[in-house]
Amino acid sequence: DAGVTQSPTHLIKTRGQQVTLRCSPISGHKSVSWYQQVLGQGPQFIFQYYEKEERGRGNFPDRFSARQFPNYSSELNVNALLLGDSALYLCASSLESGTHYGYTFGSGTRLTVV
Amino acid sequence: EDQVTQSPEALRLQEGESSSLNCSYTVSGLRGLFWYRQDPGKGPEFLFTLYSAGEEKEKERLKATLTKKESFLHITAPKPEDSATYLCAVQGVRTGANNLFFGTGTRLTVIP
Repeated sequence: DAGVTQSPTHLIKTRGQQVTLRCSPISGHKSVSWYQQVLGQGPQFIFQYYEKEERGRGNFPDRFSARQFPNYSSELNVNALLLGDSALYLCASSLESGTHYGYTFGSGTRLTVV
Repeated sequence: EDQVTQSPEALRLQEGESSSLNCSYTVSGLRGLFWYRQDPGKGPEFLFTLYSAGEEKEKERLKATLTKKESFLHITAPKPEDSATYLCAVQGVRTGANNLFFGTGTRLTVIP
C-alpha cells in the first residue's frame, strides 16, 4: 500500500523564481497538510486542505499558496523565492481533518534556493 | 500561544542504557499530543498519540506518558537502530483541529 508520495525529492531554484511541489495522499485520505522544516527545527504548519477546501493556514506570507484536486492530491506553490525558503517541505495526509486520525508524512521535497 | 519545549536537544546513550526524553507543553486545551521519529532526510514517522493526563502507550522499546504539563518518551534498552530525532507535537483547541505545533526535537544517538 503506497504511502504519501511527494515530488520532486530535491529541487534547486534561484531567488525570485517560482516553485510547485506536489503531494499524493494515502488512498482514501481526504485531508492534506503542508509543513516547512528548516534544518535543525521542527516542522512548521503552512496549510491544511480537506475536501478541496482550505481548513487552516499558518503564519506564512501570501507568496505561499496551495490547492487540492478532486483526487485529493495537492500542490504547494511558492512565488518570488527567498534564500530563507530553503527547507524540507513535508506533506501529511489523514482520513479526516481532526485529531483522532493519525497524520502520515511523506519523505518531503528538499528545496534549495540559491 | 501554544508552546512545545523538548529536552535535551541531543542525547548519546550506550546500547542498553535506558533513558527518557522530555516534552513540556503549553496549549489552550489539548486535543492531542503526538510523538514522531524522524531519520535524516526523511519525513516524520508516527509513533503515538496521547489525549489525556495519565494516559500511557507502548511500542516495542518505547513508552510514552502524559501529564497536564509534559510528556515523556521512555526508551528501554535502546539499540543503535533507535538513533533518530524524536519530535513532540501538540494540537490545541485554539489552533483548531487543523495543525500540529512541533518542538525542535531531541537527537538521539545510540552507540553500539
